[in-house]
Amino acid sequence: AAGVIQSPRHLIKEKRETATLKCYPIPRHDTVYWYQQGPGQDPQFLISFYEKMQSDKGSIPDRFSAQQFSDYHSELNMSSLELGDSALYFCASSTRALAGAQYFGPGTRLTVL
Amino acid sequence: AQTVTQSQPEMSVQEAETVTLSCTYDTSESNYYLFWYKQPPSRQMILVIRQEAYKQQNATENRFSVNFQKAAKSFSLKISDSQLGDTAMYFCAFINGGATNKLIFGTGTLLAVQP
Repeated sequence: AAGVIQSPRHLIKEKRETATLKCYPIPRHDTVYWYQQGPGQDPQFLISFYEKMQSDKGSIPDRFSAQQFSDYHSELNMSSLELGDSALYFCASSTRALAGAQYFGPGTRLTVL
Repeated sequence: AQTVTQSQPEMSVQEAETVTLSCTYDTSESNYYLFWYKQPPSRQMILVIRQEAYKQQNATENRFSVNFQKAAKSFSLKISDSQLGDTAMYFCAFINGGATNKLIFGTGTLLAVQP
């Protein structure tokens, strides 16, 4: 079965640089979520989109923005990167018929030097 | 605020034995969803089992089952016949209200299955 695809899998950036993370949801899933997982922490919700519209927003820094495109893929744009942005970034997808179940991609490991 | 509490940071079990991981949550809503996710060393987040709050019957998926006590706001995970591949961090998670809302995670329980 098709899974959530995230790219790149690993990314190394310098402080103050920008990064773009991409997510391709499972086909026919209409909702995409982004989570950030710091070292030794549980995943924290950043932002979500339903049918290409932002549906909820969590503790996402103003330096971050995201959107969902007409083909349902989503991108998380991160600017002015800080050391503290180093984390594992997950994308998950879902649809109402799954009664809340969210399926996660493999994550993008971002390292900021 | 909605919270999820996992009071066992680490647990250990012998292969083939049974282990129960605890989770409690807090909400004032009547409609919500509960989940257990597994995160092995690969860091992949894998959905293990889910429970809808309006369903009284406890969910079961092969060797994994839950004990859902709605009044006590408790949602424990039982793993039977533990296998070495069950070694992972286990997160209890909760969606409050609508099915497309965000997941709120507990802090996790690190389970080690010993040979």
